Amino acid sequence: GENVEQHPSTLSVQEGDSAVIKCTYSDSASNYFPWYKQELGKGPQLIIDIRSNVGEKKDQRIAVTLNKTAKHFSLHITETQPEDSAVYFCAGSLGGKLQFGAGTQVVVTP
Amino acid sequence: EAQVTQNPRYLITVTGKKLTVTCSQNMNHEYMSWYRQDPGLGLRQIYYSMNVEVTDKGDVPEGYKVSRKEKRNFPLILESPSPNQTSLYFCASRTGTGTSPLHFGNGTRLTVT
Repeated sequence: GENVEQHPSTLSVQEGDSAVIKCTYSDSASNYFPWYKQELGKGPQLIIDIRSNVGEKKDQRIAVTLNKTAKHFSLHITETQPEDSAVYFCAGSLGGKLQFGAGTQVVVTP
Repeated sequence: EAQVTQNPRYLITVTGKKLTVTCSQNMNHEYMSWYRQDPGLGLRQIYYSMNVEVTDKGDVPEGYKVSRKEKRNFPLILESPSPNQTSLYFCASRTGTGTSPLHFGNGTRLTVT
């Protein structure tokens, strides 16, 4: 089955700086890679996703890149704000089954 | 409002006392799933259901049961809870398409003493 590894486990950034979270996956047949954001006391919520036929996707301050050859994908958050503080999960999908990474706790300090 | 509703939000119980966590969605989604979240382990799938009366094991099904008698409801049953089932549980749903977004409930914090 698919195995997704996520790094770092915690990330502290100064407000206004950029944050990058990296994930690797094991099965080259995986074709869908969503990112979820979990705020305190809530369930995860999809923030952006990318399919295997696309190399990069951007939505305002967040972007995701995918390198199929190296089997890794990354989340980039620019101009971080306090409301970006949360736990972020990457995931890889193989045959409709999502495998989640372990999560990254992002703390944006003023 | 489209949502997934879990109850209860918090539950403290003792070893061996059967419990049920309810999950209901109002989006007419075919697919529903249960996850547990533990520090350093991310979200691990317990059971999932592709539609009414169709359920299957996820990655960590031991000690859990589910049923899907109606499309909107997907309860999680712990027949004999043990302390290693202390965790944060999430129910989620999506349409039948594998690349459609998962909608999560707000979680159930379970403590088994």
